Amino acid sequence: QIQLVQSGPELKKPGESLKISCKASGYTFTDYAMQWVKQAPGKGLQYMGWINTQTGKPTYADDFKERFVFSLETSASTAYLQINNLKNEDTATYFCAIGEEAVDYWGQGVMVTVSS
Amino acid sequence: DIVLTQSPALAVSLGQRATISCRASQSVSISRYNLMHWYQQKPGQQPKLLIYRASNLASGIPARFSGSGSGTDFTLTINPVQADDIATYYCQQSRESPPTFGGGTKLELK
Repeated sequence: QIQLVQSGPELKKPGESLKISCKASGYTFTDYAMQWVKQAPGKGLQYMGWINTQTGKPTYADDFKERFVFSLETSASTAYLQINNLKNEDTATYFCAIGEEAVDYWGQGVMVTVSS
Repeated sequence: DIVLTQSPALAVSLGQRATISCRASQSVSISRYNLMHWYQQKPGQQPKLLIYRASNLASGIPARFSGSGSGTDFTLTINPVQADDIATYYCQQSRESPPTFGGGTKLELK
């Protein structure tokens, strides 16, 4: 069965960087783009963008064009989200997800807390 | 970007019908395809796909969930509502990039 397993929770200080992972299994990794979704505490879902798993080309939504980097380790069927120069407003749960039109499968989410 | 508007909350009694609406700022339909999808999210969990392309039930989803609509107006119906359905429901469009989500409707017990 298809699974997306994400890394564990993170506690960081403003200005630091982090890199969270999303390991895929149960399907051919390059069959789907990997998507990323942010959910701030008590808030709704915000689409961050996706990375083409065949070419490695990332596409970022407008709010995520700076400080955010999508990358891949295709041999390990793993996608990464790196956030640089962390800010308090980056405190959120970050989901990786796949699907053709709708999002059929979601990772369990990574809770990121940014606090001094 | 296409903006999706949902009512923030809906109170319903168990065993009754719940109707959750989603309005798009522009059409999300192409030909006969209505590119609107619905998700359920419970606290501390990832979202779960309920309905894709406006009216198609996702795998394993009970038949008490149904979806309808086209163009800019879409509806998710739960009938009858069960206790396990208390959650937040999101619509999402894939007509245009970037895909966007509605703000979510929290289903509450009356």
